[in-house]
Amino acid sequence: GAVVSQHPSWVICKSGTSVKIECRSLDFQATTMFWYRQFPKQSLMLMATSNEGSKATYEQGVEKDKFLINHASLTLSTLTVTSAHPEDSSFYICSARDRAKEYQETQYFGPGTRLLVL
Amino acid sequence: AQSVTQPDIHITVSEGASLELRCNYSYGATPYLFWYVQSPGQGLQLLLKYFSGDTLVQGIKGFEAEFKRSQSSFNLRKPSVHWSDAAEYFCAVGLLSGGYQKVTFGIGTKLQVIP
Repeated sequence: GAVVSQHPSWVICKSGTSVKIECRSLDFQATTMFWYRQFPKQSLMLMATSNEGSKATYEQGVEKDKFLINHASLTLSTLTVTSAHPEDSSFYICSARDRAKEYQETQYFGPGTRLLVL
Repeated sequence: AQSVTQPDIHITVSEGASLELRCNYSYGATPYLFWYVQSPGQGLQLLLKYFSGDTLVQGIKGFEAEFKRSQSSFNLRKPSVHWSDAAEYFCAVGLLSGGYQKVTFGIGTKLQVIP
């Protein structure tokens, strides 16, 4: 149980295009999902917290107009990297909290999406 | 703000040997503490967590961790390492903020297991 999927698993795009990454909780509902970014040989950095039915909360230094987050349902959050540039190339990971087990304070992580912007 | 330090970037151990991965945190109160493992091409998997109670926590795959308040540490241990344990291990601390938990990760320790 508690499986989180991400799609696509990797994507290559041209500079200036927009890329949408999906994060789905497959066997549970998630009112809260998180988006992280991981650079090579570095740790995960929280970008934003996505709450179902409301606006995402962005961490300091993360451009909300650059990284659009939509959490339209209890099982799906999307991250859109708008007008992507080579410096946006990274490994993007989402996580989700089980709505029925929020007291456990456990996040379940997706497998990540590797983005390469040419 | 909370922070997590994993002093060992890379550790190599022989299969069958014992393992200890170090983790220190900085936070005013007792935080929520986690250890995750990330295998190549896969997402993070929770090994164990500590919220309160018994300071020795048992996790999956034979791992355990001990919370030591006096040392602000939460070191991960395994008595006998298997080749399949080769992966990257992240220590993390959680802080409740705005009704949900915000997690800060350490930089990770890459474990190499040699025959």
